[in-house]
Amino acid sequence: GAVVSQHPSRVICKSGTSVKIECRSLDFQATTMFWYRQFPKQSLMLMATSNEGSKATYEQGVEKDKFLINHASLTLSTLTVTSAHPEDSSFYICSARSGTGPYGYTFGSGTRLTVV
Amino acid sequence: QKEVEQDPGPLSVPEGAIVSLNCTYSNSAFQYFMWYRQYSRKGPELLMYTYSSGNKEDGRFTAQVDKSSKYISLFIRDSQPSDSATYLCAMSEDNYQLIWGAGTKLIIKP
Repeated sequence: GAVVSQHPSRVICKSGTSVKIECRSLDFQATTMFWYRQFPKQSLMLMATSNEGSKATYEQGVEKDKFLINHASLTLSTLTVTSAHPEDSSFYICSARSGTGPYGYTFGSGTRLTVV
Repeated sequence: QKEVEQDPGPLSVPEGAIVSLNCTYSNSAFQYFMWYRQYSRKGPELLMYTYSSGNKEDGRFTAQVDKSSKYISLFIRDSQPSDSATYLCAMSEDNYQLIWGAGTKLIIKP
C-alpha cells in the first residue's frame, strides 16, 4: 500500500531556533500534501495544504511566516517551524492523497517537537 | 459547539469485551464517515469507512452510521490488547476535507 515517510520522528530544539520536518510519499506521487498539528485529547488540526509547485494554503489562524511549507517535488513536502517557542511543542503529522475520495489519505508517522 | 464530538476517554475494558466507540456530529451534510486508529506516537491509519447510513462489517470491527440521529459508532468484538490505541472518527461532506473528532483512547486490559 501507499506509504508516507515522515522525518524526524522526534526532535528537541532550543527556543529561537528553526526546525525542518520532511514528508515523503515513497511509492506514489502526491500533488497535494497536508500538514496537521495534534494536541493531547484534541482533534487533528489542519494547518495547511501544500501543493506541488505553488504556495501553500494556510488555515485561518496559522502563521504563514512561522510555519514555512515547501512542496518542491511530487514526493516531498517540508514544514519548517521558524523561531520556535515552547508553545510550538506539539505532534505534527503530514498526509498525502494516495487514492480517490475522502478515504484516500495516507498519513506519516508524525513528528514530536519539543522546544526547550 | 464543535462539528464533531467524541469523548477522549480513556476507555478501559477487559480483554475479550465488546467495545463501543461513538461520535456525534451537527452537520447534516456529512456523507462520508471514517474511523482511524492511531497508535502512540504514530500517524492515523484508516480502519473503516462508510458512505451515508448503514452498517459495515470487517472481521471483528463493525461501523454504524445513523444519519437521522447524527451518530456514528465503531464496535470491536473480542477485543485484544493489540487494539489498545486512540480511535478517531472523521467525516466529510464531499470528496476532500476531513473533519475530525478528538479521538478516544482505548485501553484493553489483559
